[in-house]
Amino acid sequence: DVKVTQSSRYLVKRTGEKVFLECVQDMDHENMFWYRQDPGLGLRLIYFSYDVKMKEKGDIPEGYSVSREKKERFSLILESASTNQTSMYLCASSLGLGTSTDTQYFGPGTRLTVL
Amino acid sequence: AQSVAQPEDQVNVAEGNPLTVKCTYSVSGNPYLFWYVQYPNRGLQFLLKYITGDNLVKGSYGFEAEFNKSQTSFHLKKPSALVSDSALYFCAVRDRETGANNLFFGTGTRLTVIP
Repeated sequence: DVKVTQSSRYLVKRTGEKVFLECVQDMDHENMFWYRQDPGLGLRLIYFSYDVKMKEKGDIPEGYSVSREKKERFSLILESASTNQTSMYLCASSLGLGTSTDTQYFGPGTRLTVL
Repeated sequence: AQSVAQPEDQVNVAEGNPLTVKCTYSVSGNPYLFWYVQYPNRGLQFLLKYITGDNLVKGSYGFEAEFNKSQTSFHLKKPSALVSDSALYFCAVRDRETGANNLFFGTGTRLTVIP
């Protein structure tokens, strides 16, 4: 079974803090993704990565950055957290290798509250 | 542009009755279509996907979905609902022609199965 883990289930931070969300997958997947989930808006893609040190902006990258130094780990960084970044953050991975039939597998999510 | 519509925010069904969760999509080319389920305080779990071939796709937990190209729909169905099916369901699409790896998600439908 594919396993995607996220470093925290719940996180509370203050406005202006730098926040790191970590995601690790154990299936040697090429692709990794960060989404945020908000009621009534579904999932929106923030960033994705299709290889180590490679990244692509998703639909809502503003206020976020990412890092992928190792294949199994994909980090989401909030440079200066703001209250409108309070949300559920979901990490996903997929096999990749250029096939768009890929299934994405999700981690359990991190519920971030910015005060 | 790719998009997914889930016209019902909430679906209620009695235990033992058939259930349907609706999804329509819009892509410029041909679609790959996915259904995911999210149980409370959990990440998304993959249910099933349509890639090609038979329009009726069978997935996990007794769910199935029918791809209808003329109606651009991919409704999720189950012949007999269980209370444990109560969850948030997401439909997602990827445009086959673009070859992109990312998915576009609907806003989700909350299914409640009443005992």
